[in-house]
Amino acid sequence: DAGITQSPRHKVTETGTPVTLRCHQTENHRYMYWYRQDPGHGLRLIHYSYGVKDTDKGEVSDGYSVSRSKTEDFLLTLESATSSQTSVYFCATMSYYEQYFGPGTRLTVT
Amino acid sequence: SQQGEEDPQALSIQEGENATMNCSYKTSINNLQWYRQNSGRGLVHLILIRSNEREKHSGRLRVTLDTSKKSSSLLITASRAADTASYFCATDAAMNRDDKIIFGKGTRLHILP
Repeated sequence: DAGITQSPRHKVTETGTPVTLRCHQTENHRYMYWYRQDPGHGLRLIHYSYGVKDTDKGEVSDGYSVSRSKTEDFLLTLESATSSQTSVYFCATMSYYEQYFGPGTRLTVT
Repeated sequence: SQQGEEDPQALSIQEGENATMNCSYKTSINNLQWYRQNSGRGLVHLILIRSNEREKHSGRLRVTLDTSKKSSSLLITASRAADTASYFCATDAAMNRDDKIIFGKGTRLHILP
């Protein structure tokens, strides 16, 4: 998976609790992305970053925030998890338009 | 909103046959890419075709791009069991200056033994 790790890999949490997912890369890529994947929807972009402290919203950003204080780390936070945020979350980096994906985090909100 | 749309949604073929998947998109693009996803794994980049290219090959993969029809096709020749996966097209809109890559919903390919 090209030096991209995600943690945790699986998480079960209760509605209303905050959750932070971490993406770590060793490729020194400038661009990083968070996607969610749901049946029937494919991959949908949540947030992305084009450099340290530079982030922007994707198509499904409501209820999510991100932070990038170092090139190698991109954090996705669900401030107050809801059942609709049950999904598989993928982090990706990009170099020369080619994206490299992490292994995914399966999040279940009960 | 989804930029790319793959067709068919699912495809089952016999091992050894060729598999063709199509992708249609809505706005002008700089590049179109195809990715593969094995069950439970992240996506893996297969091939990128630029808007000024019409055809590209990589091993058993052949990608075509028709910008006038805003469509692309991915052909996998001599399919193998290991080709069973979901395949996604991804585009970056030419008007964007923000390097967003938008994925379609994917085609699920099943190679029958």
